[in-house]
Amino acid sequence: DQQVKQNSPSLSVQEGRISILNCDYTNSMFDYFLWYKKYPAEGPTFLISISSIKDKNEDGRFTVFLNKSAKHLSLHIVPSQPGDSAVYFCAVVDSSYKLIFGSGTRLLVRP
Amino acid sequence: GAGVSQTPSNKVTEKGKYVELRCDPISGHTALYWYRQSLGQGPEFLIYFQGTGAADDSGLPNDRFFAVRPEGSVSTLKIQRTERGDSAVYLCASSQGVAGSTDTQYFGPGTRLTVL
Repeated sequence: DQQVKQNSPSLSVQEGRISILNCDYTNSMFDYFLWYKKYPAEGPTFLISISSIKDKNEDGRFTVFLNKSAKHLSLHIVPSQPGDSAVYFCAVVDSSYKLIFGSGTRLLVRP
Repeated sequence: GAGVSQTPSNKVTEKGKYVELRCDPISGHTALYWYRQSLGQGPEFLIYFQGTGAADDSGLPNDRFFAVRPEGSVSTLKIQRTERGDSAVYLCASSQGVAGSTDTQYFGPGTRLTVL
């Protein structure tokens, strides 16, 4: 069973609008969460993180929201730009401090 | 400064052959991780090192896979008797602090392995 799920394989939004990427996890013991962005032929790049003591973390155009009771987190990008087009991976840090990734959501921002 | 580098960028081999994949972490990073990413999936953990020792190899799929980091810097992932199912992108990451922490992991571009 997947411990981290990204149920939307793709998302398309208009430039300037908000992009919302979602992620669900199964283990309520997870307490540190990250988003990585990946361009083709490159490795994943760290984007933003949040610990379970917070429910929101903001960095410029990127905000991550954590709903612990629902075991759900989301990444908001506003305003979206064409350069944001990439695959976004949600990840959690498990009890052994390894990263467990979701399957990714491919974001396309249309000019 | 220089990021994590991996060589080769692409490797095509035949079923049953032996391959080595190399990772050069960011200078000074003590923790090094290997992940494998299959098509349409996120990266899956294989092994991590703290210094020269393998601190956790629980993600290695079987005994055909082995990794070393003899001097605490460069690491080599070795796959014996390759199978078609080993085809994937192999990613290496390094982090600054003690392995087993929430330090940010920085990834290399990966090695795309194709087993024919």
